[in-house]
Amino acid sequence: QKEVEQDPGPLSVPEGAIVSLNCTYSNSAFQYFMWYRQYSRKGPELLMYTYSSGNKEDGRFTAQVDKSSKYISLFIRDSQPSDSATYLCAMSRTGGGNKLTFGTGTQLKVEL
Amino acid sequence: EPEVTQTPSHQVTQMGQEVILRCVPISNHLYFYWYRQILGQKVEFLVSFYNNEISEKSEIFDDQFSVERPDGSNFTLKIRSTKLEDSAMYFCASSDEGSGYGYTFGSGTRLTVV
Repeated sequence: QKEVEQDPGPLSVPEGAIVSLNCTYSNSAFQYFMWYRQYSRKGPELLMYTYSSGNKEDGRFTAQVDKSSKYISLFIRDSQPSDSATYLCAMSRTGGGNKLTFGTGTQLKVEL
Repeated sequence: EPEVTQTPSHQVTQMGQEVILRCVPISNHLYFYWYRQILGQKVEFLVSFYNNEISEKSEIFDDQFSVERPDGSNFTLKIRSTKLEDSAMYFCASSDEGSGYGYTFGSGTRLTVV
């Protein structure tokens, strides 16, 4: 079983739609959960991070973590064409080497 | 906004040659990392560096790889004898605390081994 699983997509939605992106993980030691956005041939850009379980909202973006189900989500409201990118979930353990373990990324296209 | 700078943006090298990828992390950051992404695959951890020593490395980071912070600003990744399978995007990242979030990634160096 992969440590972090993410549906690679591609996911195509119309402008204004609500987008739901998800990851599951197997390592219960993960405590920090992040969502990155990556444009083609660019470095990942941090969108949101959450510690342990719960929700976090930032503008049109909401991150949810359910540690009991080992499931994290990113919701994008009122999606825009500029949101078209690959979205990567990433997570890390408490302490240790602080390395990030990434999902494979979901490619999102928001169409006019 | 502070950023992590990587040079070169693209490097082509012959198999067996040594390459050095360079990074300038954000100036007040203390933790430094290298990740790589083979085309179409996920971003993978290579190594983390803190207080002038490696704090963790992955199984990918074998004896062919080394990292160095030669001065107060640069952070380099050296691959001694490149293989075809080393072709990938290499991302440098830095953070100001070690909890695993708050990373800033550079734009990457695309390494092509021919």
